[in-house]
Amino acid sequence: QGLLVESGGGLVKPGGSLRLSCAASGFTFSDFYMNWIRQTPGKGLECVAYIYSRTSTIYYADSVKGRFTISRDTAKNSLYLQMNSLRVDDTGIYYCARDKYPRAGFDHWGQGTLVTVSS
Amino acid sequence: DIQMTQSPSSLSASVGDRVLITCRASQSISNYLNWYQQKPGKAPKLLIYAASSLQSGVPSRFSGSGSGTDFTLTISSLQPEDFATYYCQQSDSTPPTFGQGTKVEIK
Repeated sequence: QGLLVESGGGLVKPGGSLRLSCAASGFTFSDFYMNWIRQTPGKGLECVAYIYSRTSTIYYADSVKGRFTISRDTAKNSLYLQMNSLRVDDTGIYYCARDKYPRAGFDHWGQGTLVTVSS
Repeated sequence: DIQMTQSPSSLSASVGDRVLITCRASQSISNYLNWYQQKPGKAPKLLIYAASSLQSGVPSRFSGSGSGTDFTLTISSLQPEDFATYYCQQSDSTPPTFGQGTKVEIK
């Protein structure tokens, strides 16, 4: 089984930065695609970034490209999302989620961390 | 990006009812379609993957069908704990995309 716990959300002004963390346990972190998925009032559920360290594969949604950076520390079993130049429409709940296996859905999710961008 | 459209957006049903939720993809996605259940304040939970495979631990009253562009989630006999919002998601191509959700409410 697996457990994912996010942290790092909060209130930030437009243009500010936040770093989200996701601590994983109960599975071999490097074996899976790991994702950041956000849920916003405007766009619903959106995969904003994913990473698969075995093939050095990284993806960013167009909406965050150039502003967000996904990374992982395999030794610490942790996933990160560095968010810069935050905008009001980045407001939402951010989840880390694990691919069951490629193209088979997200079978483990964290509890989510709330990011609020407001002046 | 592949657009996913669910219908209806919401429905009212009674305990024991058979409920069907449909999801249409803007292009063929083979069977790379997943269904999730989300309750208020909680993360989505995977119910069905690969269009019709039941995720471990999910009750057998949930089933999925379809291929290509048209898919259906069926709840054979609605239980009190099934009142929630349901999402489809395609995993055929990047980026993975979700439907807008179907809220199942108590009649």
